[in-house]
Amino acid sequence: RKEVEQDPGPFNVPEGATVAFNCTYSNSASQSFFWYRQDCRKEPKLLMSVYSSGNEDGRFTAQLNRASQYISLLIRDSKLSDSATYLCVVKGRSQGNLIFGKGTKLSVKP
Amino acid sequence: DTGVSQDPRHKITKRGQNVTFRCDPISEHNRLYWYRQTLGQGPEFLTYFQNEAQLEKSRLLSDRFSAERPKGSFSTLEIQRTEQGDSAMYLCASSGTNSGSPYNEQFFGPGTRLTVL
Repeated sequence: RKEVEQDPGPFNVPEGATVAFNCTYSNSASQSFFWYRQDCRKEPKLLMSVYSSGNEDGRFTAQLNRASQYISLLIRDSKLSDSATYLCVVKGRSQGNLIFGKGTKLSVKP
Repeated sequence: DTGVSQDPRHKITKRGQNVTFRCDPISEHNRLYWYRQTLGQGPEFLTYFQNEAQLEKSRLLSDRFSAERPKGSFSTLEIQRTEQGDSAMYLCASSGTNSGSPYNEQFFGPGTRLTVL
């Protein structure tokens, strides 16, 4: 079983749609959780950290369920500029490495 | 530009050759990470340094791979006797130390794309 598993993509949605990405992780001792965004042929960039109580940043809402080892990202009112690959990321047991899912590609169409 | 920089951005080499990549982290960051990303996959961790000390190595880092950070600033990743399977994007990231916080952001460089023919 992969350490971090994400919904297979791609997601093709119209502008203004609400889209949800889901992710599960296998290591119950994982300490911290993130969503990164990666544009085509670019480096990953942090979109938002995911806190136990859930958190929101504008149109983006992240949720964490430690009991189910499940992380989600909700994007409301999708924009064309949201088109990218969204990577679910878990911080490993050590203080160092991040563990990435394969990513889910989102295409927002006019 | 005060972000993470990597050099070269692209490298094409023949199988069996050695290649070396350089990463310059954000200047005040003491942690430096190397990842590898292949098409359709997320980045995979290779190794990480705190200052000049290499603290962790992934099982992906075979004996053909070596990384150094001699003065705790820039880092190099060398691949000896390259194989076609080494073709990938090699990403470097850096972060600061915020003791007690598990949420230190890792900032990624633009990557070095390696093609082994």
